Amino acid sequence: QKEVEQDPGPLSVPEGAIVSLNCTYSNSAFQYFMWYRQYSRKGPELLMYTYSSGNKEDGRFTAQVDKSSKYISLFIRDSQPSDSATYLCAMYGGAQKLVFGQGTRLTINP
Amino acid sequence: DGGITQSPKYLFRKEGQNVTLSCEQNLNHDAMYWYRQDPGQGLRLIYYSQIVNDFQKGDIAEGYSVSREKKESFPLTVTSAQKNPTAFYLCASSRSPGTSTDTQYFGPGTRLTVL
Repeated sequence: QKEVEQDPGPLSVPEGAIVSLNCTYSNSAFQYFMWYRQYSRKGPELLMYTYSSGNKEDGRFTAQVDKSSKYISLFIRDSQPSDSATYLCAMYGGAQKLVFGQGTRLTINP
Repeated sequence: DGGITQSPKYLFRKEGQNVTLSCEQNLNHDAMYWYRQDPGQGLRLIYYSQIVNDFQKGDIAEGYSVSREKKESFPLTVTSAQKNPTAFYLCASSRSPGTSTDTQYFGPGTRLTVL
C-alpha cells in the first residue's frame, strides 16, 4: 500500500464549477501538508501549505485537513480554464522526506 | 530574479552514455533535492543534500550520482547503469529542512529521452 493515495483522474469539469481534489494517507506521523499545481511540462509550484486539522483559505482555494481520517482535500471555487493542470498533494513528518501523491490531472472546460 | 534553474530543458542520450543535468539556485537555500517524475507515478526522490559536501540517497538512487561542492549547485549524473532513464527530472530546494515551516520550491525540469 502506498503511503499517499491520490486519484490520478483525469477530472473534467465545466468552467465555474466547484472542484474537489483529495488524498488519503496511511502514515500518522505526517503533520505538514501541501498542494502543488503543475502545468504541462513545467515544475510544480506551491499552492497551499497547512499544518493543523481544519480549513485554510486563499482566494478561490481552500485546503482542508482531517487528521483523524487521514484525509486531505483541496477545493477550487469558481473554477477557471487557467486552473487546468495536474494537482499534487504532498506531506511529511518524522522522516523529513516529502512524500507525493500521484497527482490528479484536472481540465476546466470553457 | 531569484529562483531555481535547470539545464538543459531537453536532453537526448544514447544507450551506454552518462549525462549530467544541471541545477542552480540563488535562493540561499541549504537543502537541494532531485526527483524523477514518470506518468502516473508522481514524484520519486533520487538524492537530497541538506548541506554542502553531504548528500543522502533517496528512494530510487540506483544508477544516479550527485555532488554538492557549492551551496547553489547540485548536479545530477544519470549513469549507464540506470536501466530506464527516460523521464522528467525535477530539482528542488528548501530553506530549513525538517522544520515546521519548510517548503520545497521546484525548478522548471529537464526532460531526458534515451534514444
